[in-house]
Amino acid sequence: AQSVTQLGSHVSVSEGALVLLRCNYSSSVPPYLFWYVQYPNQGLQLLLKYTSAATLVKGINGFEAEFKKSETSFHLTKPSAHMSDAAEYFCAVKGRGGGNKLTFGTGTQLKVEL
Amino acid sequence: KAGVTQTPRYLIKTRGQQVTLSCSPISGHRSVSWYQQTPGQGLQFLFEYFSETQRNKGNFPGRFSGRQFSNSRSEMNVSTLELGDSALYLCASSLQGDSKYEQYFGPGTRLTVT
Repeated sequence: AQSVTQLGSHVSVSEGALVLLRCNYSSSVPPYLFWYVQYPNQGLQLLLKYTSAATLVKGINGFEAEFKKSETSFHLTKPSAHMSDAAEYFCAVKGRGGGNKLTFGTGTQLKVEL
Repeated sequence: KAGVTQTPRYLIKTRGQQVTLSCSPISGHRSVSWYQQTPGQGLQFLFEYFSETQRNKGNFPGRFSGRQFSNSRSEMNVSTLELGDSALYLCASSLQGDSKYEQYFGPGTRLTVT
């Protein structure tokens, strides 16, 4: 079974600073990996996905993530944080051939300070 | 293209009652999945429907059920409500049932059981 672990339930950065949210996966074969963002009282918005086409994946709002098989990681980064990035971020995994069941991490709350 | 819509957005029910939640997927999407989000358990997969058939089911009691109609719209039902069923219920749609396709989420239905 696939799983993901998000390190750090709360991350705080200054506006303009680098954002780094960590995600490690556990799977016997390279899975499909996703990052979602959730703003208060809203559903989940897809930021980006990894499906093995390229290890560096660019998403919306300036976010990107790099798939590193050797480290079983899929960390989310953004060069310069903006106040509007404050939200909860979820890493999720799907097994190949396993239908559409997403397994989510526990989430990381990102705070952006002036 | 319109996104995933869920109705109602908010619902208050009493213990022992039953509830039906509705989800309309993005036009052309054939797979619908349901998730429960709570502060304690996070995001948990309930079930997935594709072409009116349940393909995957999460670890929830039989009080939780669902169905999908020929137009891909889906409903989930919870019978004999318990206080612990209070949660945000999220619906997600995907183009196909293959795991490589991303899922798009609706805004959720906030269920409060008193």
